[in-house]
Amino acid sequence: DAGVTQSPTHLIKTRGQQVTLRCSPKSGHDTVSWYQQALGQGPQFIFQYYEEEERQRGNFPDRFSGHQFPNYSSELNVNALLLGDSALYLCATSRGEGQPQHFGDGTRLSIL
Amino acid sequence: GENVEQHPSTLSVQEGDSAVIKCTYSDSASNYFPWYKQELGKRPQLIIDIRSNVGEKKDQRIAVTLNKTAKHFSLHITETQPEDSAVYFCAARGILTGGGNKLTFGTGTQLKVEL
Repeated sequence: DAGVTQSPTHLIKTRGQQVTLRCSPKSGHDTVSWYQQALGQGPQFIFQYYEEEERQRGNFPDRFSGHQFPNYSSELNVNALLLGDSALYLCATSRGEGQPQHFGDGTRLSIL
Repeated sequence: GENVEQHPSTLSVQEGDSAVIKCTYSDSASNYFPWYKQELGKRPQLIIDIRSNVGEKKDQRIAVTLNKTAKHFSLHITETQPEDSAVYFCAARGILTGGGNKLTFGTGTQLKVEL
C-alpha cells in the first residue's frame, strides 16, 4: 500500500522562474492539501483540493495555484519565484474532508 | 483565523521519564486536534489525534488530553526512549475558517531523550 508520494525531492530555481510540484495520494485518499514548511517552523496551509476544486485557501498570494486531477493526484504551481519561497513543500492527503491527514516526504525547493 | 501556541520550544528528559507538551488554540469551534512527530529530514508523521467530543485518548505510551473550556490540549509521552527524540507539532482544525482540511500548526517542540 503506497503512501503519499511527492516529486521531485529536491529542486533548485532562480528568482522569477516558475515551478510545478506533484503529489500522488495514499491509496483510498481523495483529498489533497498543500503546506509550506520553512526551516524551524511548523507547516503553513496553502490550499486544499477535493473533487478537483480548490475548497479552502490559506494566506498565500495568487502566485500559488494548484490543480487536482480525476485520479486525485495534484500539482502545486508557483510563479514568479521569490527568495522567500525557499522551503519544504508538503502534500497531505486524507479520505475525505475533516479526516486524518498523512504527509508525503515533501519537495525541498531552493531559490537562488 | 485560528492561532495555535505551543510550549515548550525545547524539552530534554532522561530516558524512562515522561514528557508533556502543551498547546492552546483560539478558535473555540475547532473540533480536531492531531499531533505530528517529525524527525530530521523526514515527513511529519501522525502519531495521535483527538476530536472535540472526547476528553482523552491513549495509544500505548502516548496520550492526548483536551480541555475545551480552557482551549488547550496536551501530549503526554510516558517511559520515553531515545527514538522518541524528534520535533513534535500540535495542530488544530478550525471551523471559523470554513472547516475543510486546513490545519493550523504550533511552532514545534524539540524533544531530546537522553540516555
